[in-house]
Amino acid sequence: DVKVTQSSRYLVKRTGEKVFLECVQDMDHENMFWYRQDPGLGLRLIYFSYDVKMKEKGDIPEGYSVSREKKERFSLILESASTNQTSMYLCASTLGGTSYEQYFGPGTRLTVT
Amino acid sequence: AQTVTQSQPEMSVQEAETVTLSCTYDTSENNYYLFWYKQPPSRQMILVIRQEAYKQQNATENRFSVNFQKAAKSFSLKISDSQLGDTAMYFCAYHSSNSGYALNFGKGTSLLVTP
Repeated sequence: DVKVTQSSRYLVKRTGEKVFLECVQDMDHENMFWYRQDPGLGLRLIYFSYDVKMKEKGDIPEGYSVSREKKERFSLILESASTNQTSMYLCASTLGGTSYEQYFGPGTRLTVT
Repeated sequence: AQTVTQSQPEMSVQEAETVTLSCTYDTSENNYYLFWYKQPPSRQMILVIRQEAYKQQNATENRFSVNFQKAAKSFSLKISDSQLGDTAMYFCAYHSSNSGYALNFGKGTSLLVTP
């Protein structure tokens, strides 16, 4: 089974802090994604990566950056956290080729105070 | 960008009954994939069922089946013999072969199964 793990289930940070959310997948997947989930808005794509050191902006990249130094790890960075970034953050991965099914991590609920 | 619409924010069904969740999408593509994902309360999002647009036969996975109407751009999920464990958020998602590997998700339908 594919396993996608995220470093924290719950996180509380203060406004202005730099925040790192880590995601690791163990199935050698090529593609990794970061989504933000808010009630009534569904899942919105923040960034994704097709390969090591590659990144592409999604629909809502403002205020975020990402890093993919190793194939299995994809990090989401909030350079200066703000209260409007309080949300559930979901990481996902997909094998690539003709496989488009995404496998999700358990999510990190981030609260910025 | 393709739009995925789930018109039912919340639904409720009694145990053992059948419920249908609606999903429509907007696309000009001919080759694409559609998915239904389930997110139980405080648990991980998992794939329920997938449908390739080129296949006319509706996908089925045990109690879960879809009604795929390509011309109408409709992709509804039917859950038969509903169980308490089906209580979850359900998301419809679209993928086009022209859009890399990202999925477009609907806003979700919260399904409550009652005893």
